[in-house]
Amino acid sequence: AQKVTQAQTEISVVEKEDVTLDCVYETRDTTYYLFWYKQPPSGELVFLIRRNSFDEQNEISGRYSWNFQKSTSSFNFTITASQVVDSAVYFCALSRYGGSQGNLIFGKGTKLSVKP
Amino acid sequence: NAGVTQTPKFRILKIGQSMTLQCTQDMNHNYMYWYRQDPGMGLKLIYYSVGAGITDKGEVPNGYNVSRSTTEDFPLRLELAAPSQTSVYFCASTDGQGALFYGYTFGSGTRLTVV
Repeated sequence: AQKVTQAQTEISVVEKEDVTLDCVYETRDTTYYLFWYKQPPSGELVFLIRRNSFDEQNEISGRYSWNFQKSTSSFNFTITASQVVDSAVYFCALSRYGGSQGNLIFGKGTKLSVKP
Repeated sequence: NAGVTQTPKFRILKIGQSMTLQCTQDMNHNYMYWYRQDPGMGLKLIYYSVGAGITDKGEVPNGYNVSRSTTEDFPLRLELAAPSQTSVYFCASTDGQGALFYGYTFGSGTRLTVV
């Protein structure tokens, strides 16, 4: 069975601190995708990143970076120099390589609060 | 702008009432989905469709029905609403498969309260 665990329910930091959101997944598939979505207080779901299981390169996009480690089944998300606008619920998700047939599995989310 | 449109944005239902949540996408996506989001529980799949005329159950289908008569529309029907169906409902779509799968495009959600 596939499963995504986000052990951190809530995190609170002060602006400019770095923060890492943890994501651990379980799957028997050899090929799969991992995602991060952001849900700001307005409620919409915003796609942040997709990572293939066969590509373990870390990725950096501005203040955001993602560390994919297949050996530990983790796909952690780091925000550097956090800002108040980063306050949101962040979801990690997993899908099979085929992807489209309704098997995007979400973690329970981590609520990040960034205080000024 | 192209995207997934959900209506209504908010609704209060009384126990036992019925309603239909509307979802329309104008991206010609074959695949459409309904999720519900309960506080602290992430998103759970209710139903999905791989094309017009084809639907299938997800993880939590009980109490819901769907239909897919056109590519664009994927309404979710609640019959005999119960308090346990109080949730935020998201519709989503995609047309990617395999290497072209970049996750879903989500609607803005419908917040439903059953009292």
